[in-house]
Amino acid sequence: DQQVKQNSPSLSVQEGRISILNCDYTNSMFDYFLWYKKYPAEGPTFLISISSIKDKNEDGRFTVFLNKSAKHLSLHIVPSQPGDSAVYFCAASARRYGGATNKLIFGTGTLLAVQP
Amino acid sequence: EAGVAQSPRYKIIEKRQSVAFWCNPISGHATLYWYQQILGQGPKLLIQFQNNGVVDDSQLPKDRFSAERLKGVDSTLKIQPAKLEDSAVYLCASSLAFKNEKLFFGSGTQLSVL
Repeated sequence: DQQVKQNSPSLSVQEGRISILNCDYTNSMFDYFLWYKKYPAEGPTFLISISSIKDKNEDGRFTVFLNKSAKHLSLHIVPSQPGDSAVYFCAASARRYGGATNKLIFGTGTLLAVQP
Repeated sequence: EAGVAQSPRYKIIEKRQSVAFWCNPISGHATLYWYQQILGQGPKLLIQFQNNGVVDDSQLPKDRFSAERLKGVDSTLKIQPAKLEDSAVYLCASSLAFKNEKLFFGSGTQLSVL
């Protein structure tokens, strides 16, 4: 059962344009969401997060939007740069309901290619 | 500040052999995680330690996988005997505080079981 889904395996965008990466979740207990970025041969690195009490969080060129009713979040990168080319993972946790742990459930990732 | 260190980077073994991976987390990080990432999938948590105690090992195949974190610092993950389906990247991560989802990952160990 895939609780966090990234239905687009890949996305190609021109440099300077907006990149929009999407993520859907099925577990209504998830209340904290994160995006991680992964370059080849490296481990994932934390990018940005959002709590379910918000619907938007911004950090420089990166903005995450959360639509709780649709169980959907998206990551916007504006403007996109060639160095943003990487695999982006969406992840979720159930902070209030996680019990002893806050286990992260990851999506399958979206490969973003930003063309110069 | 040094990141999470893992070794080896690559390992090729035959099925039914044993293998061990090593991880040294960021200094001062009390929580340590081992994740398995199969090709085309997202990372899946195998085991989580808080200092040297196990917090969550619900997804660890305990008949063949074992992990320990001696003295609450370094950790080793062992597979014995390995199966073909264990081919994956094994990622170690650490976090500063318990229940902190901002994880710092190592570069991983790519395991191929032939």
